[in-house]
Amino acid sequence: QVQLQESGPGLVEPSGPLSLTCAVSGGSVSNSNWWIWVRQPPGKGLEWIGEMHHSGNSNYNPSLRSRVTISLDKSKNQFSLKLSSVTAADTAVFYCATSTGSYKIDYWGQGTLVTVSS
Amino acid sequence: EIVLTQSPGTLSLSPGERATLSCKTSQSVSSSYLAWYQQKPGQAPRLLIYGASNRATGIPDRFSGSGSGTDFTLTISRLEPEDFAVYYCQRSGPGVYTFGQGTKLEIK
Repeated sequence: QVQLQESGPGLVEPSGPLSLTCAVSGGSVSNSNWWIWVRQPPGKGLEWIGEMHHSGNSNYNPSLRSRVTISLDKSKNQFSLKLSSVTAADTAVFYCATSTGSYKIDYWGQGTLVTVSS
Repeated sequence: EIVLTQSPGTLSLSPGERATLSCKTSQSVSSSYLAWYQQKPGQAPRLLIYGASNRATGIPDRFSGSGSGTDFTLTISRLEPEDFAVYYCQRSGPGVYTFGQGTKLEIK
């Protein structure tokens, strides 16, 4: 069973980049899964950020596409999220997740809260 | 962009009762791409149903999904205390995932 664990700064300054990493165990980022990031502002619903496949294919939420990059590190078996030019509106719990197929998100990390504030 | 609208926003029921949650899409979607998730406070979402009606691994059979086109339903046949949570529907497809705004299922 795949296990996912997010890590990264809990506080980011406005206008700066937000960078998070998701460590994968029980599976490999080189397999056929899609590797996904989802966020949830405090007290609000879920928003899909984007996804990446080991083939190099990626897809992003159109509303965030200009600011988002998702990358895979096969040597460390992890994947990462970078969100540029953040504002307070980007404050959220960020989840890494994965889809094994059939367009369902099977496994989720526990989530990490990132607050954008000076 | 396809919008998913869930209703009701909040559903107040008692343990043992039947819960019916609705998810309507702004355009017809393939049932293959409709999923339901449960989220409890402080926890990550958990996959319940995929392909509109397929239970995920380990999900009790009191949870069932149905629907097609633009109207989808999650039914919990007899509520257990641990079922009180927020439920999200989600539509996916090549390169896109969209969530509904959620239905909060609370104890009456």
